[in-house]
Amino acid sequence: SQQGEEDPQALSIQEGENATMNCSYKTSINNLQWYRQNSGRGLVHLILIRSNEREKHSGRLRVTLDTSKKSSSLLITASRAADTASYFCATDAFTGDMRFGAGTRLTVKP
Amino acid sequence: DTAVSQTPKYLVTQMGNDKSIKCEQNLGHDTMYWYKQDSKKFLKIMFSYNNKELIINETVPNRFSPKSPDKAHLNLHINSLELGDSAVYFCASSPGIGGEAGYTFGSGTRLTVV
Repeated sequence: SQQGEEDPQALSIQEGENATMNCSYKTSINNLQWYRQNSGRGLVHLILIRSNEREKHSGRLRVTLDTSKKSSSLLITASRAADTASYFCATDAFTGDMRFGAGTRLTVKP
Repeated sequence: DTAVSQTPKYLVTQMGNDKSIKCEQNLGHDTMYWYKQDSKKFLKIMFSYNNKELIINETVPNRFSPKSPDKAHLNLHINSLELGDSAVYFCASSPGIGGEAGYTFGSGTRLTVV
């Protein structure tokens, strides 16, 4: 069964703007991860945030986690055309695997 | 060197055929997975193996049979292919069981059943 649900399903912005994507999940988690998928390619791991963390940064990426609301957000600052991709959240819910949502399709226009 | 490699990248076959997809990882990871991504981009876990032992077997038709000859390989064999099997199949690996350290994915195998 799916665990994470991303919102919005699609997002289109201009280069230089910030992009925010949200993820909601249903059960208790060990950690939550964000992945990027370029068209026709596999998923690439971006960042992992543990259940006892509230915010994490990696370069232009900022991830927040609110376990009371069972939600996470991914912020990409100063977006570039190369950031165009689908972004997935995935949860490690103690099931022995990661459960993925359907992703947010981000388009960054030059 | 490719960390997780899948072959073939594309597979077009007729209904009723039997086909296999191979996956190999050179990361020394203990756990490997098969995911199916449908046309709506949902990624669903199918199987996972830890050190050649099956640990996750989701509700998947028994026409799908994974085989792990060693911990670096996890192959997927599909019997009597159906139109609904058309999807992109991704292999992934991780150091341990679950998502403690993140997954490394292969580039996918696009299966088209005609």
